[in-house]
Amino acid sequence: NAGVMQNPRHLVRRRGQEARLRCSPMKGHSHVYWYRQLPEEGLKFMVYLQKENIIDESGMPKERFSAEFPKEGPSILRIQQVVRGDSAAYFCASSPPGPGEQYFGPGTRLTVT
Amino acid sequence: AQSVTQLGSHVSVSEGALVLLRCNYSSSVPPYLFWYVQYPNQGLQLLLKYTSAATLVKGINGFEAEFKKSETSFHLTKPSAHMSDAAEYFCAVSDLSGNTPLVFGKGTRLSVIA
Repeated sequence: NAGVMQNPRHLVRRRGQEARLRCSPMKGHSHVYWYRQLPEEGLKFMVYLQKENIIDESGMPKERFSAEFPKEGPSILRIQQVVRGDSAAYFCASSPPGPGEQYFGPGTRLTVT
Repeated sequence: AQSVTQLGSHVSVSEGALVLLRCNYSSSVPPYLFWYVQYPNQGLQLLLKYTSAATLVKGINGFEAEFKKSETSFHLTKPSAHMSDAAEYFCAVSDLSGNTPLVFGKGTRLSVIA
């Protein structure tokens, strides 16, 4: 059973470009979470999705950021018009239905130049 | 609202010495508590979790943690540090309803000196 997969692992974007981060959850997992890790900081929750539904987006900036988890395919975190402050590691985690731990992917490290 | 405080952003121990990483939590509801480890440029790996069963929880790689409700603490320990334990450690909390976002502490970087 493959773990949570994220791609790309590293992404470089110039200010004003768009960044698309992908996350494929573990097999059988229908819950996906996105977290952001800034340098010297812990992980901060951004958004929680189930298939075709956003359950909680309280941690996601209102502007420029969006997320989806379609019926088919990976979850996508999209950042439009990136700025230098968006440079961070973005982690995706998945979990099965019901109480349980979250399994993390290796992360996508976004650098905005 | 839930929160986690990890005392000490950096802890340094000698190889073979006791490892103690501190975590205090705040939660208005009974919590689930977790310790994760992160090696450089990697994702987070679950070390152990507390889910309201036994208060002393054993995890992987010889780590364990004790849930103390009276102290709102969930400190991580290992009797004898190994060089391979050098990493960043994160304590996290969620509520017992399950499938809720984790709230993380800022992390503690563990260095192991030969």
